[in-house]
Amino acid sequence: DIVMTQGALPNPVPSGESASITCQSSKSLLHSNGKTYLNWYLQRPGQSPQLLIYWMSTRASGVSDRFSGSGSGTDFTLKISSVEAEDVGVYYCQQFLEYPRTFGGGTKLELK
Amino acid sequence: EVQLVESGGGLVQPGRSLKLSCAASGFTFSNYYMAWVRQAPKKGLEWVATISTSGSRTYYPDSVKGRFTISRDNAKSSLYLQMNSLKSEDTATYYCARAGIYSSHFDYWGQGVMVTVSS
Repeated sequence: DIVMTQGALPNPVPSGESASITCQSSKSLLHSNGKTYLNWYLQRPGQSPQLLIYWMSTRASGVSDRFSGSGSGTDFTLKISSVEAEDVGVYYCQQFLEYPRTFGGGTKLELK
Repeated sequence: EVQLVESGGGLVQPGRSLKLSCAASGFTFSNYYMAWVRQAPKKGLEWVATISTSGSRTYYPDSVKGRFTISRDNAKSSLYLQMNSLKSEDTATYYCARAGIYSSHFDYWGQGVMVTVSS
């Protein structure tokens, strides 16, 4: 199974500052089609997860351009520029390259 | 508007069975892979099952393989999860999720339904 490992944030993050969340996979998520099968989700308190980023760097429909995804085949970063109150919650990375689909353990973002 | 509404959760004793349902609307259900993802209390997300558009292919992690069965009824735009031989560690909120058109991510999620396995 592909293991997904997420880093922690130095919480709380001051409002208006940027925040970067890291994720590492135990295997390259680069597909032969050239796409990297790494997704990012945000789960706000008391809510269902919502898709933020897919294919490592493609923003989902309706997602603010304050969110950006980058990385290589095994190391990934979700950057949130100018953090706002609505960004509070737990962020998960997920690989969609192989079964079983696996998630990282989650990274909590708290606002100062 | 895409909507996924789960039902069928509740309290069940260890070793017993439970069937979850997910009613889909707002999109052509038969065109999409569908999945179940769960979240134990205060824990992270765990993928539970995926089913192909026709239902001919299903996928499970080892933790539920042989106990859980995912199925779908495209005529009713409904997704199901039959859970047998339930264990305390199956206690979680279960989410129904749609796999995006390229089947590379989960683009819509339901509100979730709670399953508690306890005597």
